[in-house]
Amino acid sequence: KNEVEQSPQNLTAQEGEFITINCSYSVGISALHWLQQHPGGGIVSLFMLSSGKKKHGRLIATINIQEKHSSLHITASHPRDSAVYICAVGYSGGGADGLTFGKGTHLIIQP
Amino acid sequence: GAVVSQHPSRVICKSGTSVKIECRSLDFQATTMFWYRQFPKKSLMLMATSNEGSKATYEQGVEKDKFLINHASLTLSTLTVTSAHPEDSSFYICSAPPRGSYNSPLHFGNGTRLTVT
Repeated sequence: KNEVEQSPQNLTAQEGEFITINCSYSVGISALHWLQQHPGGGIVSLFMLSSGKKKHGRLIATINIQEKHSSLHITASHPRDSAVYICAVGYSGGGADGLTFGKGTHLIIQP
Repeated sequence: GAVVSQHPSRVICKSGTSVKIECRSLDFQATTMFWYRQFPKKSLMLMATSNEGSKATYEQGVEKDKFLINHASLTLSTLTVTSAHPEDSSFYICSAPPRGSYNSPLHFGNGTRLTVT
């Protein structure tokens, strides 16, 4: 079973700061997902990566397959970015193994 | 974009009763639906995978008779918590990949917060 570790677990920053959240996994994967969970519980899929880098607005996600590591960056952070960010990894085989989730990084952006 | 609708968003029930949670894919066909449970400050845990037209696949440790899953059509999957107990109180959330693969973007319902008294 893949082990997914996220760091930091909690992060408080000031509005405008550059934010980095890290995700490491132990077994080779076919896809890595970054998810955003708001206080009410709803989850939004931010990125799905299998290699390289993706950018959407102020969000950037990178993955290094050889090092089994991914990062999520937020530029010019804003209080509305406050949420739990979850990393999840999946396998090409799919099946009952499904996705393995990290415990999440609880981000608070203060105005 | 693809939307998954989950109902109810919140339910309080008495111990011993059953609760049904619905998850609908609104603008795509979902041959597969994933059901997760999340305890406070814990990560999402996959409970089971429902497949349209066949039996659900349950994760180890999840009781099939307690958590009944039905995938009646390409747009509807239901999770029924039977004979609920206080320890079943949790956040339940479904998700569906439009192309039926873990390697497709995931679309989540808004979740159901279940409280069993």
